[in-house]
Amino acid sequence: DIVMTQSPDSLAVSLGERATIYCKSSQSVLYSSNNKNYLAWYQQKPGQPPKLLIYWASTRESGVPDRFSGSGSGADFTLTISSLQAEDVAVYYCQQYYSTPPTFGQGTYLEIK
Amino acid sequence: EVQLAESGGGLVQPGGSLRLSCAASGFTFSSYWMTWVRQAPGKGLEWVANIKQDGTEKYYVDSVKGRFTISRDNAKNSLYLQMNSLRAEDTAVYYCARAGYCTNTSCYYDYWGQGTLVPVSS
Repeated sequence: DIVMTQSPDSLAVSLGERATIYCKSSQSVLYSSNNKNYLAWYQQKPGQPPKLLIYWASTRESGVPDRFSGSGSGADFTLTISSLQAEDVAVYYCQQYYSTPPTFGQGTYLEIK
Repeated sequence: EVQLAESGGGLVQPGGSLRLSCAASGFTFSSYWMTWVRQAPGKGLEWVANIKQDGTEKYYVDSVKGRFTISRDNAKNSLYLQMNSLRAEDTAVYYCARAGYCTNTSCYYDYWGQGTLVPVSS
């Protein structure tokens, strides 16, 4: 199984500042045949189900604010929130869908400083 | 509007059984892989099982193989999870989710239900 490791486990950022979350996979999730990274990011607010933010490592899901962006390739990925808003307080998860079983990172809790 | 609504959760004793249901609406259910993902209290997300559009392919996480069965009824726009021989470590909120795209059998999930809680305890 591919192990997904996120860092940090928790993060406190001031309103309006940049937040950066890292995700590392135990093996590459880049498919050489199509040059796509099989990596998604989700946001989970307290008491709610996860919400898809980004897939293919950098494609924003419809309706997701453009302050959210994803980058990276191979085994190292980043989720960036360019200007933190109060409603962004949540746990963020990365997930690989390169191979079965699909696996998630342990989550990163983002709060306001 | 895509909607997924789980039901069937509740307290069950170790060794017991439970059947979860997920009612889907707002999309062509028969066109999508579907999945169950669970989340133990205060913990992260764990994929449990996937099922292909026509139900001919099913995949499970190792920890539930032989105990859980995923199924679907496309005529009723419904997804199911039959859980047998339940253990304390199966205690979790169980989410039904729609697959946005799948690589063979591994997918990302674009719509999720609200979840149903399954506590396994004596």
